[in-house]
Amino acid sequence: GAVVSQHPSRVICKSGTSVKIECRSLDFQATTMFWYRQFPKKSLMLMATSNEGSKATYEQGVEKDKFLINHASLTLSTLTVTSAHPEDSSFYICSAGRTGIYYGYTFGSGTRLTVV
Amino acid sequence: AQSVTQLDSQVPVFEEAPVELRCNYSSSVSVYLFWYVQYPNQGLQLLLKYLSGSTLVKGINGFEAEFNKSQTSFHLRKPSVHISDTAEYFCAVRSSGGSYIPTFGRGTSLIVHP
Repeated sequence: GAVVSQHPSRVICKSGTSVKIECRSLDFQATTMFWYRQFPKKSLMLMATSNEGSKATYEQGVEKDKFLINHASLTLSTLTVTSAHPEDSSFYICSAGRTGIYYGYTFGSGTRLTVV
Repeated sequence: AQSVTQLDSQVPVFEEAPVELRCNYSSSVSVYLFWYVQYPNQGLQLLLKYLSGSTLVKGINGFEAEFNKSQTSFHLRKPSVHISDTAEYFCAVRSSGGSYIPTFGRGTSLIVHP
């Protein structure tokens, strides 16, 4: 149980376009989803936390207008990178879980974004 | 506030040798501790976790970790590694109450040589 599907696994887009990444919890209801960015040889940088039905909470330094997060249902959260630039190229990972008593966080398989 | 320090950025080891990946944390409250493994271009997979109870925790793939409260450590061990254990390993901590957001260490790259 506790499977999180992240799609796409790889995407290449042109500079100035927008890209949407989906994160789905397949067999449980995820009240909370986290979005991380991972640079090469670096740890995970938490970008934002989203709770179903409410606005995402962004970490300091993360542009909310650039990285749009929507968590419209208990099984789906999306991250849209708007007007992408080459410096947005990175590995993005989502994680889903349930708050309250610890159930564990399950990670998606990640999305490699390359902006050319 | 809490933090995690993984003391080694890279640990090379020969196949079938034992390995220990070190993790120290700091927190003003009680914590839960985790180890995750990440294979290239993949997400993170939970290896094991400490919530309470026995300080020796056994996880998947033959890994185990020991919670040492006095030394604020949660080192990961495996008695005999395989080539397939080559990956990035992350230690993470979150408070047992309040914020449920985990804090990750910078990762340790385990490189297993034949």
